[in-house]
Amino acid sequence: QSVLTQPPSVSGAPGQRVTISCTGSSSNIGGNYDVHWYQQVPGTAPKLLIYGNTNRPSGVPDRFSASKSGSSASLAITGLQAEDEADYYCQSYDSSLSFVFGSGTKVIVL
Amino acid sequence: QVHLVQSGTEVRKPGASVKVSCKATGNRITTIYWVRQAPGQWLEWMGWISVANGDTKYSQKIQGRVTMTRDTAASTMYMELSSLRSEDTGVYYCATWAETDAFDIWGQGTTVIVSS
Repeated sequence: QSVLTQPPSVSGAPGQRVTISCTGSSSNIGGNYDVHWYQQVPGTAPKLLIYGNTNRPSGVPDRFSASKSGSSASLAITGLQAEDEADYYCQSYDSSLSFVFGSGTKVIVL
Repeated sequence: QVHLVQSGTEVRKPGASVKVSCKATGNRITTIYWVRQAPGQWLEWMGWISVANGDTKYSQKIQGRVTMTRDTAASTMYMELSSLRSEDTGVYYCATWAETDAFDIWGQGTTVIVSS
């Protein structure tokens, strides 16, 4: 099982706000390691969505935002759009395991 | 801008080995990371290789079965996985840190199928 725990799925209607949690421990997120978020449309490579806990790479809409607190992090999507339907993964560093990914969350646009 | 292009689909029998390539073009990169994804599963970090000096670090899970190498003249990195099992079936990605300290550039992925 993944070291970072995410809900299997979240859903929302177009225009709504959804959040995805990512829960780790003191050896990764809680150990002051950065959290990054990726979006993956099935059948394609992951795409960086958020880096360094809260930063958006150029080209990523400001509908995507993220935060980190203690051993957890969260990704928020506001103004949900049909094109946001994808799998989302958090990623951090673990002092024992090196790079670790979350278990993934499928966002379903109703 | 960095661009990573990977080799094509591979089919192997259990116990065999597979070698996947990742060619980098564009700006200079320092490290190539390998990440894999079993069907319907999450992403799993496999290891990294320094492009400059060939230093490597592997995931404990696959240590002993994986070897990462590079051909600097060809700007190509390789990931070889041996003693293949059915659980190794999946898509293998190379990735790098180009402008951030996260995996911001990915190859298109290489499908590896292990089946008798």
